[in-house]
Amino acid sequence: GDSVTQTEGLVTLTEGLPVMLNCTYQTIYSNPFLFWYVQHLNESPRLLLKSFTDNKRTEHQGFHATLHKSSSSFHLQKSSAQLSDSALYYCALSHYGSSGNKLIFGIGTLLSVKP
Amino acid sequence: AQTIHQWPVAEIKAVGSPLSLGCTIKGKSSPNLYWYWQATGGTLQQLFYSITVGQVESVVQLNLSASRPKDDQFILSTEKLLLSHSGFYLCAWSEDWGGDAEQFFGPGTRLTVL
Repeated sequence: GDSVTQTEGLVTLTEGLPVMLNCTYQTIYSNPFLFWYVQHLNESPRLLLKSFTDNKRTEHQGFHATLHKSSSSFHLQKSSAQLSDSALYYCALSHYGSSGNKLIFGIGTLLSVKP
Repeated sequence: AQTIHQWPVAEIKAVGSPLSLGCTIKGKSSPNLYWYWQATGGTLQQLFYSITVGQVESVVQLNLSASRPKDDQFILSTEKLLLSHSGFYLCAWSEDWGGDAEQFFGPGTRLTVL
């Protein structure tokens, strides 16, 4: 079945350094939709960005990700981390015709940005 | 603007007791509704979805049931709680129907079963 792997449970960075959160996926479908959801402390998860176009960079709020179907990856990046970026980040997968619009989530990566 | 509320915020219940969790969406008619569950240390799993009033589809069998009694209300329940039901329950909605639809999540309910 479909699955999403986020290898890092916790990423700790100093403010100003670049951010890269890893996400790889497995699916039998050739046209997956990939999402990054972010959850700040005491808030609900909200969509950060999404993509279904191979090799096209998607950007939002300073973050960017590129879907690479050849490597089944959708890594999240940012050039310079800010304290306010500290949050839990989920990578998620869906596909066209997915029953119930089902999102398959990774386990999440907690990003902690220190001064 | 649309708002989503979940109740209660947190619940501590005994094994074998009944449970009812609620979710209400305001400011959006005929939303698609979803229940998600996250075990401690685990990932988010979709449990149920509903496209319209009175119609609910089960995605994962966890000895839970769901109902949609009103257009803006989604209820998750069970008659007998298990220890394995502990975790974080999130209600979500979407306007669009399709794999690329953005889902908007509620604040969640923390359930502890003892």
